[in-house]
Amino acid sequence: AQSVTQLGSHVSVSEGALVLLRCNYSSSVPPYLFWYVQYPNQGLQLLLKYTTGATLVKGINGFEAEFKKSETSFHLTKPSAHMSDAAEYFCAVSDLGTGRRALTFGSGTRLQVQP
Amino acid sequence: EPEVTQTPSHQVTQMGQEVILRCVPISNHLYFYWYRQILGQKVEFLVSFYNNEISEKSEIFDDQFSVERPDGSNFTLKIRSTKLEDSAMYFCATGGGQAKEETQYFGPGTRLLVL
Repeated sequence: AQSVTQLGSHVSVSEGALVLLRCNYSSSVPPYLFWYVQYPNQGLQLLLKYTTGATLVKGINGFEAEFKKSETSFHLTKPSAHMSDAAEYFCAVSDLGTGRRALTFGSGTRLQVQP
Repeated sequence: EPEVTQTPSHQVTQMGQEVILRCVPISNHLYFYWYRQILGQKVEFLVSFYNNEISEKSEIFDDQFSVERPDGSNFTLKIRSTKLEDSAMYFCATGGGQAKEETQYFGPGTRLLVL
């Protein structure tokens, strides 16, 4: 069975500082990996995804993530935090390669950006 | 930009009552999903629907739940006899038709409160 672990339910950074949100997964097959962001009172918005190919993927709003198979990780980074990045971030995995489409989510990380 | 919409945004119901949550998918999408998030917990997969039938379901999706596309546009989740523990945010998601690379686009959610 798949699982996703997000280390740190709350992360606080200063504006302009590096953002690093951690995600580790377990999957019996090559995974498809996703990061979603949820702003207050809104739905989940896709930030970026990894399916195949280049292991460093770039997403919206300056975020990127690197798939590291040896570490079973897909950490999300942004070089310089902005106040508007304050939100909850969810890592998710699917076994789409096997035809199973259901997403398994991590428990989320709430990012706070201090002025 | 096309988006998934959900109605109602909030619903309060009495235990034992039936509720129907509605979703309007993005128009050319073929796969439809329901997820839920109990307050303070992970987003959990409930069910996926393709070609007018359930393609996957989780252990949560028991006999009190059902899904359908009654008019070819709306996608609904029915809970026949609500329980207190059904109180949660319910998200609809829809995805395109490509087998290999699929992003699930989420609606803003319906917050269900069972009293």
